Amino acid sequence: AQKITQTQPGMFVQEKEAVTLDCTYDTSDPSYGLFWYKQPSSGEMIFLIYQGSYDQQNATEGRYSLNFQKARKSANLVISASQLGDSAMYFCAMREAYGGSQGNLIFGKGTKLSVKP
Amino acid sequence: NAGVTQTPKFQVLKTGQSMTLQCAQDMNHEYMSWYRQDPGMGLRLIHYSVGAGITDQGEVPNGYNVSRSTTEDFPLRLLSAAPSQTSVYFCASSYSPRTSSTPGNTIYFGEGSWLTVV
Repeated sequence: AQKITQTQPGMFVQEKEAVTLDCTYDTSDPSYGLFWYKQPSSGEMIFLIYQGSYDQQNATEGRYSLNFQKARKSANLVISASQLGDSAMYFCAMREAYGGSQGNLIFGKGTKLSVKP
Repeated sequence: NAGVTQTPKFQVLKTGQSMTLQCAQDMNHEYMSWYRQDPGMGLRLIHYSVGAGITDQGEVPNGYNVSRSTTEDFPLRLLSAAPSQTSVYFCASSYSPRTSSTPGNTIYFGEGSWLTVV
């Protein structure tokens, strides 16, 4: 079974608008972390934001926020005020402390975001 | 991506040739891993290491070899390249996820290696 599910292969958003990228996960490990990475066309993996399973508040980093709903096993990325430079592939990933993934990142298949001027 | 050096950035191989992708980190990280990225598949784990002398297989290990003789280096070897190994390869390193109450966000990626097997 997929451990990380990103149901939106591609999305469009108008410049300056907010957009939500969906991510659901599956784990029985009580200790885990959720990550979002951005991959522009140049190919590098850029870390955006992190949420720990024990964190009480939703993570925020500038224009990025993570809508963490633990009971629903959901970790959606919200980008506010989209910019043309936000056009990229976005990956959700999970790292379990003690689960079967042995501390390695498990990635979703990604969402390609296109920002329209 | 300061701290993780991955080489080469681009490589074209002929079917059957062998090569080694190099990965080095200078942060004294215990964990190192190799991923491959194919269109529509996200990143998939090939091999990983939790410390010098310790390696294990990930999701897609066939056709690849690794070793970890030092903490700093984790090379990935393609013994006999096949067109199915055409992909983008990423090396990553981090501290153990068990060093804090929750897995930390100290995961560093190399810049990627674009490999084409013809």
